[in-house]
Amino acid sequence: NAGVTQTPKFQVLKTGQSMTLQCAQDMNHNSMYWYRQDPGMGLRLIYYSASEGTTDKGEVPNGYNVSRLNKREFSLRLESAAPSQTSVYFCASSPRAGAGANVLTFGAGSRLTVL
Amino acid sequence: KQEVTQIPAALSVPEGENLVLNCSFTDSAIYNLQWFRQDPGKGLTSLLLIQSSQREQTSGRLNASLDKSSGRSTLYIAASQPGDSATYLCAVPENAGGTSYGKLTFGQGTILTVHP
Repeated sequence: NAGVTQTPKFQVLKTGQSMTLQCAQDMNHNSMYWYRQDPGMGLRLIYYSASEGTTDKGEVPNGYNVSRLNKREFSLRLESAAPSQTSVYFCASSPRAGAGANVLTFGAGSRLTVL
Repeated sequence: KQEVTQIPAALSVPEGENLVLNCSFTDSAIYNLQWFRQDPGKGLTSLLLIQSSQREQTSGRLNASLDKSSGRSTLYIAASQPGDSATYLCAVPENAGGTSYGKLTFGQGTILTVHP
C-alpha cells in the first residue's frame, strides 16, 4: 500500500532556481492538496485540486504553481525559489469533495531548503 | 477567518501519566474536527475525527471531546507511553455551503515527550 508518494524527499536550491515537487496517490482519490509546514505555524494550504481538471488557491499560494496532471498526480512548482520558501511540503489526498472529504492521507513530506 | 490554537506548545511527562491536550477554534460553525499525530520527519496520521453532532470519540487509550459552543476540543491520552512521543495537531475543515473539502486549518501542534 503506497498511499501518497512524494519526490524528492530532500532538496537544496539556490535563490532563483526552479523545481517541481511531485506527488502521486494510488487510492483513486478525487481530491489532492499541497500544504507547507513551518516551525510554530502548523500546516498551511498552498493549493488544492477538488477533482481532476480543477485547481484552486489556498491560504499561501504566492510563488507557487500547480498542475493536476491526471487523477493520480498533483505537482507543485516553484518558478523562482526564495529563502522564504524553505519549508517542509506535504501532499495529501482525500476520497472526494463534500462530506468526509477531510479524511486526508498525507505523504511523508519533502524538505526544501533555499539558500 | 478560522483560527486554531493549541495549548500547551510542548509537554513532557513521565510514563504512565494521564494527560490532556487542548485545541480551540474561533468559528464554532465547524463541520468536524480531527486530531493528527506526526512523528519526527514523517507525515501526518489521522487519530480521531469527531463530527459536529458528536461530543466525543474514542480509540484505544485516546479520547477526543468536542464542545462546539465554546470552541474547544481536548485529546485525552490515558496511561501515556514513550511510544506516544510525537507532535499532536488538531484541524478543522473549511465549510463550503454545508459540505467541506479537505481544506484544513491546523493548530500549531503540541510536542509531547513521554520519558521512561
